[in-house]
Amino acid sequence: EAQVTQNPRYLITVTGKKLTVTCSQNMNHEYMSWYRQDPGLGLRQIYYSMNVEVTDKGDVPEGYKVSRKEKRNFPLILESPSPNQTSLYFCASSPTGTSGRVDEQFFGPGTRLTVL
Amino acid sequence: QQPVQSPQAVILREGEDAVINCSSSKALYSVHWYRQKHGEAPVFLMILLKGGEQKGHDKISASFNEKKQQSSLYLTASQLSYSGTYFCGGQSNSGGSNYKLTFGKGTLLTVNP
Repeated sequence: EAQVTQNPRYLITVTGKKLTVTCSQNMNHEYMSWYRQDPGLGLRQIYYSMNVEVTDKGDVPEGYKVSRKEKRNFPLILESPSPNQTSLYFCASSPTGTSGRVDEQFFGPGTRLTVL
Repeated sequence: QQPVQSPQAVILREGEDAVINCSSSKALYSVHWYRQKHGEAPVFLMILLKGGEQKGHDKISASFNEKKQQSSLYLTASQLSYSGTYFCGGQSNSGGSNYKLTFGKGTLLTVNP
């Protein structure tokens, strides 16, 4: 089954304790992206990756790191989480279309993170 | 800057029509529409590109005015299953970040029997 998986689905942690949220897709998509969703603010892009070893900042990259060593995986790293990073996080993947457009995105189920 | 969506919320009765608007202050290469039901991940509805190309579900229609950088999503003969939050997103091809997607804050659509 074509899908995007995220782990963990729920996480409660404390300020400053490094954590990684994994994201994996089995559709051979080139484009992958991380979003955070907060009430009233919609979906905000954190980082995206156009292909292996190629990443770029979205609109809210501060406090986050990403890596893309393999095509299928795109982990999100919080080196020193803070309470303002409490949010619902979505990973998404997409084939890049002709002329470099971002095509239909397939979203993972989400990770609800609470930082105390 | 996030695209601005209007209205923020709308309530319909089954069978009624609705239009959701999305306006960007930046020149867009493409406009994306997604629907998210409560507690679920967003699901793709449609992409509209400069030049008129579209890709999306047969039962959904939308438009993209390139001159005004405005897009509208048309929901006709609404069904209960249309309820959810609708997001528009814009892909800009300027400023070096050609693959960045910026979404609006969403429009909550409620369809009642």
